[in-house]
Amino acid sequence: DAGVIQSPRHEVTEMGQEVTLRCKPISGHNSLFWYRQTMMRGLELLIYFNNNVPIDDSGMPEDRFSAKMPNASFSTLKIQPSEPRDSAVYFCASTLGPKRGNEQFFGPGTRLTVL
Amino acid sequence: AQTVTQSQPEMSVQEAETVTLSCTYDTSESDYYLFWYKQPPSRQMILVIRQEAYKQQNATENRFSVNFQKAAKSFSLKISDSQLGDAAMYFCAYQNSGTYKYIFGTGTRLKVLA
Repeated sequence: DAGVIQSPRHEVTEMGQEVTLRCKPISGHNSLFWYRQTMMRGLELLIYFNNNVPIDDSGMPEDRFSAKMPNASFSTLKIQPSEPRDSAVYFCASTLGPKRGNEQFFGPGTRLTVL
Repeated sequence: AQTVTQSQPEMSVQEAETVTLSCTYDTSESDYYLFWYKQPPSRQMILVIRQEAYKQQNATENRFSVNFQKAAKSFSLKISDSQLGDAAMYFCAYQNSGTYKYIFGTGTRLKVLA
């Protein structure tokens, strides 16, 4: 299996621009998570989906952030408009649910830099 | 709300020696899972070991073992025979009974000295 795939690996953009991060979960996994990692705040859960349905988006920082999962094999995290404080590494993870205790498999992350 | 605390921002260990990384958590739940994840310089998060709160026996995975003290809400990771490849950030994570959400600690950077 190829594991969780994220694209792009690196993104540099200017303040005010729209940014779209992409994730392909492991085939057969039905739970998907978006995390943000910064030095100041560590790893934060932004949103998670179960069977393509958003279950908890309480971690989404503000309305500039939105996430979709149109099908079981694809999810996007969009930031519009982007701001310098959005600079971080964004991870996508998937797991075979619903079963607690299952390992979450992480993608390699997207490093976002907003100038 | 549950919290996870890793009080050691950085640790060092000599190659082949043993090191213990600390993690404490706060919860009112009795049924939960605890995890240790490793993040090497490549950024990829990798599961090291997991523990179910209802299991009294400490989990082990080869050179990695945990000391789970439920009453004390402590979940430390012991790495035996440390290797250069063990150098990474280590994150402790908590998963409660109601959701699949992880709550991560702030991480401990482990350096392995040759």
